[in-house]
Amino acid sequence: DADVTQTPRNRITKTGKRIMLECSQTKGHDRMYWYRQDPGLGLRLIYYSFDVKDINKGEISDGYSVSRQAQAKFSLSLESAIPNQTALYFCATGTDTDTQYFGPGTRLTVL
Amino acid sequence: SQKIEQNSEALNIQEGKTATLTCNYTNYSPAYLQWYRQDPGRGPVFLLLIRENEKEKRKERLKVTFDTTLKQSLFHITASQPADSATYLCAPLSGGYNKLIFGAGTRLAVHP
Repeated sequence: DADVTQTPRNRITKTGKRIMLECSQTKGHDRMYWYRQDPGLGLRLIYYSFDVKDINKGEISDGYSVSRQAQAKFSLSLESAIPNQTALYFCATGTDTDTQYFGPGTRLTVL
Repeated sequence: SQKIEQNSEALNIQEGKTATLTCNYTNYSPAYLQWYRQDPGRGPVFLLLIRENEKEKRKERLKVTFDTTLKQSLFHITASQPADSATYLCAPLSGGYNKLIFGAGTRLAVHP
């Protein structure tokens, strides 16, 4: 089984809808991250968490919120989706040296 | 502010040659730096970590150097193969935040 899983893998939604992307890990890492990647561009950090009680904003947190339900679970929510949030979203876990292990990604389309 | 620079132009090389990718960073001194490989539509995969007191690190056909004076890391793939074609990301540890900063990556295309 994959160490970092993301659900759903693909999602098409409409403007204004609330959606949640979920991430689970079996690596036992305390650190977890959410990134987005637009075509031809680099990774941009949305939120990160160094442990269950620690949540930090990344460079592009506006329009997003997160929940760290347990060490193994980190969810990303779009409260009211808009078309420019169409992107590929990656969850990752991190070790103490911040070596990161990425999930397979969620392809989100907002119409 | 901390800045990571990787060549945005794709690197095209012939199979069997050595590919060399460059990562420059400015305005700080990371304690270590990591390199990742990313294939289209997939998440990045960790390749190597090099610390500031290590000049060079090797793993199979991969070699990374870390020059803290020049504020630069070089990533080499020897005897390159078409299967090495991917985007390679440089990720130094940030100063003060204890987490990586990912560069935008350089795309490598190895032609038969």
